[in-house]
Amino acid sequence: NAGVTQTPKFQVLKTGQSMTLQCAQDMNHNSMYWYRQDPGMGLRLIYYSASEGTTDKGEVPNGYNVSRLNKREFSLRLESAAPSQTSVYFCASRTPPGQPQHFGDGTRLSIL
Amino acid sequence: GENVEQHPSTLSVQEGDSAVIKCTYSDSASNYFPWYKQELGKRPQLIIDIRSNVGEKKDQRIAVTLNKTAKHFSLHITETQPEDSAVYFCAASYVDSNYQLIWGAGTKLIIKP
Repeated sequence: NAGVTQTPKFQVLKTGQSMTLQCAQDMNHNSMYWYRQDPGMGLRLIYYSASEGTTDKGEVPNGYNVSRLNKREFSLRLESAAPSQTSVYFCASRTPPGQPQHFGDGTRLSIL
Repeated sequence: GENVEQHPSTLSVQEGDSAVIKCTYSDSASNYFPWYKQELGKRPQLIIDIRSNVGEKKDQRIAVTLNKTAKHFSLHITETQPEDSAVYFCAASYVDSNYQLIWGAGTKLIIKP
């Protein structure tokens, strides 16, 4: 049982490049989340999907887009990467309210 | 907006002593309060959680207490060990936003040998 799988684990981009971070969960969870964590800081919610077919903005959505491809997969896209988006990106998922979120291992993204 | 305040930001304790981390939340309708541990370079992992119909929950050396009236909850770690060194995050569910979690800023726990 893999849980939450994120790809890639590491990525270096140049300013202005685009890329998509992938996340897949095999726990049949309805809700999925994308967070960013800057060095020495806490978790900030970028976007979330409460259920298949819905997405909503979190605290820091600017510069990002998301797609809930199906119940398993939730991708995060940077259309034009900026150095301020250098961070570790975590995907998480959970079942109904009142249940814990399960995190993937993260994607370490550096933008030069 | 809703928020969760977490204190202290850094806590240094002697190995074998107890550690207490406190969080205060603003949404009186919050009903789920998890605690996560994050080791350096790793993902956050759930260590214990509590729901609003319970005042205290224990799991070996870890306990969480909840005071709904005062809107605060605390993590207690007894007999601390070197492997307890990590960053700990509290969170509270935000009812009006599909029960997403509102996160505290984290506490860096240092266990001194």
